[in-house]
Amino acid sequence: NAGVTQTPKFQVLKTGQSMTLQCAQDMNHEYMSWYRQDPGMGLRLIHYSVGAGITDQGEVPNGYNVSRSTTEDFPLRLLSAAPSQTSVYFCASSYSRSLPYTGELFFGEGSRLTVL
Amino acid sequence: SQQGEEDPQALSIQEGENATMNCSYKTSINNLQWYRQNSGRGLVHLILIRSNEREKHSGRLRVTLDTSKKSSSLLITASRAADTASYFCATDAADSNYQLIWGAGTKLIIKP
Repeated sequence: NAGVTQTPKFQVLKTGQSMTLQCAQDMNHEYMSWYRQDPGMGLRLIHYSVGAGITDQGEVPNGYNVSRSTTEDFPLRLLSAAPSQTSVYFCASSYSRSLPYTGELFFGEGSRLTVL
Repeated sequence: SQQGEEDPQALSIQEGENATMNCSYKTSINNLQWYRQNSGRGLVHLILIRSNEREKHSGRLRVTLDTSKKSSSLLITASRAADTASYFCATDAADSNYQLIWGAGTKLIIKP
């Protein structure tokens, strides 16, 4: 029972490089989301999706792209990495697909990104 | 924007004691959730309390919600070393399209 799987766990990038953080869930959840976690702050929502083909912006979407071609996968793309994107990124999913999107969230183990 | 704010930021107690953490929020909500995060790991859902509920229990956890004061508390009874973690509250709010808004967390250390 894998739950939410994120890869890679650690990544170091140089400023200007691009990369994709992968997220997959095997619980048939409609709702998937990406958060970033910075020291001393709560989680901040980057992008979310309520089903295949549907995505929307969260609180801090700039510099990130997402797509949702299947129910299982929700990759997060950093277009041109900046030091301000150094953070821990979490993917989370939920069975909740209608407002409010606030059912219990299931989290991955996180991807720790450093941008030099 | 932060909706929930946990208090205290850090708490250190002896094993066996009770631990109480508080969460305050600013706008009306549908529900409030508590999560635990062990060091270097993802968050794990603990409990959800709806706005029409005042108290909820789950094992050694007790959560209260006071909507008039816009606050919630998480009580962990008979603490264990394994309870050492950060604890976060998350609320939904109509003005945030019902997305969860997170507090900065309380870091709990249980001393053996």
